[in-house]
Amino acid sequence: NFMLTQPHSVSESPGKTVTISCTRSSGSIASNYVQWYQQRPGSSPTTVIYEDNQRPSGVPDRFSGSIDSSSNSASLTISGLKTEDEADYYCQSYDSSNHHVVFGGGTKLTVL
Amino acid sequence: QVQLQESGPGLVKPSETLSLTCAVSGYSISSGYYWGWIRQPPGKGLEWIGSIYHSGSTYYNPSLKSRVTISVDTSKNQFSLKLSSVTAADTAVYYCARHSLGSGYEYWGQGTLVTVSS
Repeated sequence: NFMLTQPHSVSESPGKTVTISCTRSSGSIASNYVQWYQQRPGSSPTTVIYEDNQRPSGVPDRFSGSIDSSSNSASLTISGLKTEDEADYYCQSYDSSNHHVVFGGGTKLTVL
Repeated sequence: QVQLQESGPGLVKPSETLSLTCAVSGYSISSGYYWGWIRQPPGKGLEWIGSIYHSGSTYYNPSLKSRVTISVDTSKNQFSLKLSSVTAADTAVYYCARHSLGSGYEYWGQGTLVTVSS
């Protein structure tokens, strides 16, 4: 299986924009969709982006996703940061050759 | 609304088998999708354990494959996880969830903490 690498932590001020990266170790990032999950302490993860750039209903449009084949990475961008966005964020994809699920290591977002 | 609920012992002794069940409501497992288990050790990230397709095909994390069995009981609309020969490293919150191959995990259980200790 390939690996997905995320920064351990990022921080930014309220109202600003932050981008979290997720780099695929082998194979093309475009080969399989990437999802992003938000997890607040003590809660189950929830989807903020699916299929690279789609937002589930109820997720604010401050959240956006993209992929970049040149860096073989996916990105989650959160604009107009709010203190409630402070959470852990995980990227996830699949290895379609064997139906295996792959999670990134997670990024702790601090909004200060 | 699809709901998933994990159940099982919260404490398991080292070398024994961890057994958890996920009861599904609001959707019939046999109708489609993948049904899977994910775990999260305290203070750490998410780890995929494995998944079972509605047809019964199973897929396991290579690092756990020798110890994991996932099965489904369509009559009870639930699926189960067995992890054998557990050690303290298997202490984690265990989540069950529904996912599709491309679009990720849409529904999650609330998670259940399993501690491995004598």
